[in-house]
Amino acid sequence: NAGVTQTPKFQVLKTGQSMTLQCAQDMNHNSMYWYRQDPGMGLRLIYYSASEGTTDKGEVPNGYNVSRLNKREFSLRLESAAPSQTSVYFCASSDETSGGPREQYFGPGTRLTVT
Amino acid sequence: QQQVKQSPQSLIVQKGGIPIINCAYENTAFDYFPWYQQFPGKGPALLIAIRPDVSEKKEGRFTISFNKSAKQFSLHIMDSQPGDSATYFCAASWEGNEKLTFGTGTRLTIIP
Repeated sequence: NAGVTQTPKFQVLKTGQSMTLQCAQDMNHNSMYWYRQDPGMGLRLIYYSASEGTTDKGEVPNGYNVSRLNKREFSLRLESAAPSQTSVYFCASSDETSGGPREQYFGPGTRLTVT
Repeated sequence: QQQVKQSPQSLIVQKGGIPIINCAYENTAFDYFPWYQQFPGKGPALLIAIRPDVSEKKEGRFTISFNKSAKQFSLHIMDSQPGDSATYFCAASWEGNEKLTFGTGTRLTIIP
């Protein structure tokens, strides 16, 4: 099992450009998440999806959109990138139906720089 | 609104010492408190977690201490090793809400 995969690993954008970050998981999890990680700020939730076809805003959703394409895939789109969106982006998944600890499994991250 | 406050921001400990990282929370509905470990260039991974019905949980060299009345929990690493050098995040959630609220992270360095 690959777990959670993210593409690309690195990306440099100019202000105003758009791009989509891709995420896929092969653990048959229902829930998927997008976080951004900034120094001194920890991990902040951008959007999450509790199941296929549903998405909800997290703590910092402005400037982002998401699509839960199917149970495996959850993409994050920046329509018009801004320097404030320079960050490391992590996708994660979890399966709350297991009844066990609500462990989230993280991907390796995408390092995005907006100039 | 920071619902989980973590300290210190960074910590340097000699090999064999016992680093302690502290977290405090505000929401009394929280009932699940995990710690995540993140190595440079990698995503965070679950290290150990505790529920409020116990005051302490040990897994190998890692121990969570939990104080429900003070709304605080901490991570202790016994006999720390240079390989423990990483960023550690505490987090919290409650039943029915799968979202985790993370602390701001602690960068731990273990020097030989």
